[in-house]
Amino acid sequence: QVQLVQSGAEVKKPGSSVKVSCKASGGAFSTHAMTWVRQAPGQGLEWMGGIIPFLRRTNHAQKFQGRVTITADESTNTAYMELSSLTSEDTAIYYCARGASPDYSPWLDPWGQGTLVTVSS
Amino acid sequence: EIVMTQSPATLSVSPGSRATLSCRASQSVSSNLAWYQQRPGQAPRLLIHGASTRATGVPARFSGSGSGTEFTLTITSLQSEDFAVYYCLQYDNWLTWTFGQGTKVEIK
Repeated sequence: QVQLVQSGAEVKKPGSSVKVSCKASGGAFSTHAMTWVRQAPGQGLEWMGGIIPFLRRTNHAQKFQGRVTITADESTNTAYMELSSLTSEDTAIYYCARGASPDYSPWLDPWGQGTLVTVSS
Repeated sequence: EIVMTQSPATLSVSPGSRATLSCRASQSVSSNLAWYQQRPGQAPRLLIHGASTRATGVPARFSGSGSGTEFTLTITSLQSEDFAVYYCLQYDNWLTWTFGQGTKVEIK
């Protein structure tokens, strides 16, 4: 049973960057897509981007062009999402979610527990 | 870019009744459609994938149907734990996913 454990909550200043980690255990890592989804307070789910670790191929939503970097460390089964130039509108819970099968775009399951990122001066 | 539109935004239903949620894609996503349930303070939970396949452990009162651009999630005999927000997710494109904006199922 795959489990995803994310890093802890962060408080950041506007204009800074945040890097959130997601460690996978109990299953395959390199061959399955890992995605990042965020949820602003009271809002819906928003896909940010994803990576297939063994291919080192990434993709991201146009909205985050130039601001998001998604990486993966196969030696530690850990994926990372870094978001730069933070504003208050980036305050949200950030989730990692793994592709359910070794495919380029499967459904997402399981999910991490979420990481709250608060951007405030 | 595929846009997913869910309706209604809010659905008021009495316990024990049936709820029907809709999700429409701006272009065909074949059967590459999943449904998730999210309760307050929790991560999303997978209910349905492949438009109609229930995930492991999901009660039979949850069912999904549709293909192409029109999809439906039906919850029969709503239980107290079913009052939550439901999202559809398309996964038809290479390394690209899109969520609907969600439907909140609330107690009538």
